[in-house]
Amino acid sequence: GQSLEQPSEVTAVEGAIVQINCTYQTSGFYGLSWYQQHDGGAPTFLSYNALDGLEETGRFSSFLSRSDSYGYLLLQELQMKDSASYFCAVEGDNAGNMLTFGGGTRLMVKP
Amino acid sequence: KAGVTQTPRYLIKTRGQQVTLSCSPISGHRSVSWYQQTPGQGLQFLFEYFSETQRNKGNFPGRFSGRQFSNSRSEMNVSTLELGDSALYLCASSSTGAGNTIYFGEGSWLTVV
Repeated sequence: GQSLEQPSEVTAVEGAIVQINCTYQTSGFYGLSWYQQHDGGAPTFLSYNALDGLEETGRFSSFLSRSDSYGYLLLQELQMKDSASYFCAVEGDNAGNMLTFGGGTRLMVKP
Repeated sequence: KAGVTQTPRYLIKTRGQQVTLSCSPISGHRSVSWYQQTPGQGLQFLFEYFSETQRNKGNFPGRFSGRQFSNSRSEMNVSTLELGDSALYLCASSSTGAGNTIYFGEGSWLTVV
């Protein structure tokens, strides 16, 4: 089976940097994804790591360490609109698109 | 290009009834997967269809079923609805196999009363 752990809530101020960690236990692993979901909205893809290291996409970066079964999402220059829930998800190594999600981290950005 | 489209967006059903939800994937995407999101259980995988065949299945009872048509559009059905089936049902599409970006629709909000 697969399980992912991430903090339930994080608070930060506008303009700051915040890191959301994700640790996972999987029976198979293809990659680690991050999704953002605003209240009432759909999960939106942010970043994907198949290999160890850092992936940067604008203000968002994601890191993966397969040996540590660990990854994180880094959000820089926080804006009020970044207040949302963030989910890490693993894709198993079976054929197909089947994501197992963490419980989500609710990020609150304060002025 | 158009995103993943789900219908209906909101619906209310009574216990014991059945419901069918529809999903149109992004044009060219052949993989469609369904997820259930609830406050208590979070986001859980229901099943995935690829080229009209169920490729993966999550741990949900047989009351939950789905299918995919030749145009890649998909439907999911829940029979004998229970109060606990109240949730946001999300459809996601992707081009092919694992490692491709998965795009979600806005979801169908189901309330069972």
